[in-house]
Amino acid sequence: AQSVAQPEDQVNVAEGNPLTVKCTYSVSGNPYLFWYVQYPNRGLQFLLKYITGDNLVKGSYGFEAEFNKSQTSFHLKKPSALVSDSALYFCAVRERNNRLAFGKGNQVVVIP
Amino acid sequence: DTGVSQDPRHKITKRGQNVTFRCDPISEHNRLYWYRQTLGQGPEFLTYFQNEAQLEKSRLLSDRFSAERPKGSFSTLEIQRTEQGDSAMYLCASSESPYSYNEQFFGPGTRLTVL
Repeated sequence: AQSVAQPEDQVNVAEGNPLTVKCTYSVSGNPYLFWYVQYPNRGLQFLLKYITGDNLVKGSYGFEAEFNKSQTSFHLKKPSALVSDSALYFCAVRERNNRLAFGKGNQVVVIP
Repeated sequence: DTGVSQDPRHKITKRGQNVTFRCDPISEHNRLYWYRQTLGQGPEFLTYFQNEAQLEKSRLLSDRFSAERPKGSFSTLEIQRTEQGDSAMYLCASSESPYSYNEQFFGPGTRLTVL
């Protein structure tokens, strides 16, 4: 089965500092990987995806993610965090029938 | 707003009652998914429709759960004889086909509380 792991429960970062949210994956075959963000009492919003090609993927709201096949990782990054980036972030991998398998999520807290 | 919508947003019910949730996907999307999210966890897959056909059901979907998508448009998820363990956020998502790498767009969810 395809799966992703998000090893940290919470990430604290000062406003203006770089933000990294970690994700590792375990798949058979080529992975299709996704990042979503969830604000309180809201559904998930799509940020970006990796399908193939360039290992650096750019997404919404200034986020990007780096696909690393040798380390089986797909870390989410933002060069300069904003207070409004405080939210729950989920990494996901495509399974059969295009359903998504999600990690447990990372709470990001950006400190003013 | 042309996004995925869900109704109701919140539902409080007593144990043993039946509840029904509705999801309206993005109009041109023919794939529709239901997920369940409990506190501190990521969403877990429940079931999936391609147009009106229900193509897969998770083993999380017990016999008390049923989902439909008549005419391939909106979908309903019904839970019969609710239990306290059913308390969760129920999320609906839709995507275009045929490409398997298309992202899913999620609705705001229905939060179910079973007393």
